[in-house]
Amino acid sequence: EIELTQSPATLSLSPGERATLSCRASQSVSSYLAWYQQKPGQAPRLLIYDASNRATGIPARFSASGSGTDFTLTITSLEPEDVAVYYCQQRSTWAPFGQGTKVEIK
Amino acid sequence: QVQLVQSGAEVKKPGASVRVSCKASGHTFSNSYMHWVRQAPGQGLEWMGIINPRGDATTYAQMFHGRVTMTRDTSTSTVYLDLGSLTSEDTAMYFCARDIAPSGSWVFDSWGQGTLVTVSS
Repeated sequence: EIELTQSPATLSLSPGERATLSCRASQSVSSYLAWYQQKPGQAPRLLIYDASNRATGIPARFSASGSGTDFTLTITSLEPEDVAVYYCQQRSTWAPFGQGTKVEIK
Repeated sequence: QVQLVQSGAEVKKPGASVRVSCKASGHTFSNSYMHWVRQAPGQGLEWMGIINPRGDATTYAQMFHGRVTMTRDTSTSTVYLDLGSLTSEDTAMYFCARDIAPSGSWVFDSWGQGTLVTVSS
């Protein structure tokens, strides 16, 4: 079973800074990776699917890249509303999720 | 605009069963694969299972085998999650989620608001 490891566990940045979140798979998942944002007290929201495709309505400051085992989610200019936990997820039958990266504002 | 509205919070005793519902509107429910995902307090996301558009095929995560059933009623655009033999470890927020692809892709593009299930004696 494929495992997804996210780093760092917590990211603390100032507004306007660039946030870089990592997701590493224990074996290749090709481009079958999605990213979700979960704000406190809310359901998750799909940001990115198939490694780099932004979901409908997602702002352009969110971008993602990667293939195989190493993936990156980038928020080019952090806004206060981006405070959330971000999860990566493999698009497969068992749909494993990473453990999440918490993004905070300094 | 896709909307998934779930039933209200539940409190159950150990050993009991719970049913959570998820009513869809704003999209072609009959064409959509639907999933259930749960999240224990302060923890990450855990996929539970999927049901096909016709409701005649399901796949469940291995850890829930034997005590989970997913069904759907196309006449009311509602999917149901039944979970039995509850223990305290089943205390969690349960989410329904729609699959982004008509063929089923395990990408979840719309989510319900969540239903908190608390298991306590």
